[in-house]
Amino acid sequence: RKEVEQDPGPFNVPEGATVAFNCTYSNSASQSFFWYRQDCRKEPKLLMSVYSSGNEDGRFTAQLNRASQYISLLIRDSKLSDSATYLCVVEYNFNKFYFGSGTKLNVKP
Amino acid sequence: DTEVTQTPKHLVMGMTNKKSLKCEQHMGHRAMYWYKQKAKKPPELMFVYSYEKLSINESVPSRFSPECPNSSLLNLHLHALQPEDSALYLCASSQGLAGGQRYNEQFFGPGTRLTVL
Repeated sequence: RKEVEQDPGPFNVPEGATVAFNCTYSNSASQSFFWYRQDCRKEPKLLMSVYSSGNEDGRFTAQLNRASQYISLLIRDSKLSDSATYLCVVEYNFNKFYFGSGTKLNVKP
Repeated sequence: DTEVTQTPKHLVMGMTNKKSLKCEQHMGHRAMYWYKQKAKKPPELMFVYSYEKLSINESVPSRFSPECPNSSLLNLHLHALQPEDSALYLCASSQGLAGGQRYNEQFFGPGTRLTVL
């Protein structure tokens, strides 16, 4: 069983749409949770940390559900520039990070 | 300055060569990482240095040898690689083991694209 699982997509959405991604993790001792985005042939860039209380940054909202061991990312009012692969990252055992396989998002005009 | 730099950007080497990848950060971060990423796959953790000591080795073959000369620098020495080692090698850093979510936010360098012939 993979440590972190994501739907690979692709999610094809029109501009302005709202889209949500989920990610599940297997280790209940996981300590930190993140969403990264990765553009083609570029490095991953931190999008946002995910806190237990949920957090929002502009059009992006992240939620953590420890009981069900999943995290989510909601993108509102999608822009063309949001097209990328979104990676769910989970950390446990002090600095041991596991990446999900990524969810590809295509935002169409 | 939230930048992690890596050199070289591209590297082509033969199976008998010895080469090194370099990574540098000046954010005062005390944890540094090497990842390997194959095409259309997520990054896979290879090594973690914490306070200049190797804390995690994810069963990486000995033909990859990491080194952390000081808190700002991280090297990956390569020797006798195989063609299947061709990949994007990413370096990252984070504040360190102090605890709390913020300390674990990783910042990645642009990577070195390695081709082994």
